[in-house]
Amino acid sequence: QQQVKQSPQSLIVQKGGISIINCAYENTAFDYFPWYQQFPGKGPALLIAIRPDVSEKKEGRFTISFNKSAKQFSLHIMDSQPGDSATYFCAASTGTYKYIFGTGTRLKVLA
Amino acid sequence: GAVVSQHPSRVICKSGTSVKIECRSLDFQATTMFWYRQFPKQSLMLMATSNEGSKATYEQGVEKDKFLINHASLTLSTLTVTSAHPEDSSFYICSAKAGGRGETQYFGPGTRLLVL
Repeated sequence: QQQVKQSPQSLIVQKGGISIINCAYENTAFDYFPWYQQFPGKGPALLIAIRPDVSEKKEGRFTISFNKSAKQFSLHIMDSQPGDSATYFCAASTGTYKYIFGTGTRLKVLA
Repeated sequence: GAVVSQHPSRVICKSGTSVKIECRSLDFQATTMFWYRQFPKQSLMLMATSNEGSKATYEQGVEKDKFLINHASLTLSTLTVTSAHPEDSSFYICSAKAGGRGETQYFGPGTRLLVL
């Protein structure tokens, strides 16, 4: 019940396209869902986060869509750029503050 | 804001020696810090959670006598890998969370440890 399932494992998108990464969870106690971007040899950097009381949150080219009933959330990267090529991790947490991370998605945006 | 630093960024040591990694929150007070380990092309594996002034809570399977964690102040936590062996070679990342209702963890840049 503590797992967060992330898909796809890897993704190749043309420049200017939309990248979509999906995550699903079981534990309905989760109340905070952040997305992190990680470049090789670097620590993860927070991209955007959402709580279950909203269905969508947008920050620049990054949008989180949240479906509480389906227990799923997804990251959409609009107008994908080669500089977006990185590994993306979703996570979920409860009031205990410990994150449960997804397995990661390696995104490659072709120029 | 919300910057976390780690030192050193890379370290190479001989088998049997101990290595200390520092994690600092530069512009906020971190009541809670986390230590992760990451293998190539894998997700982050939580090793332990540390709260300032109290003992760290280790995840199942993590040897607390091997990975010593100290969270002596609201801006500094250290991870000491004792009697390091080649299998301890990995990428170690810390994160910090501000006090109050802040749920966001801010990650450091990571430390690459290579044990020869």
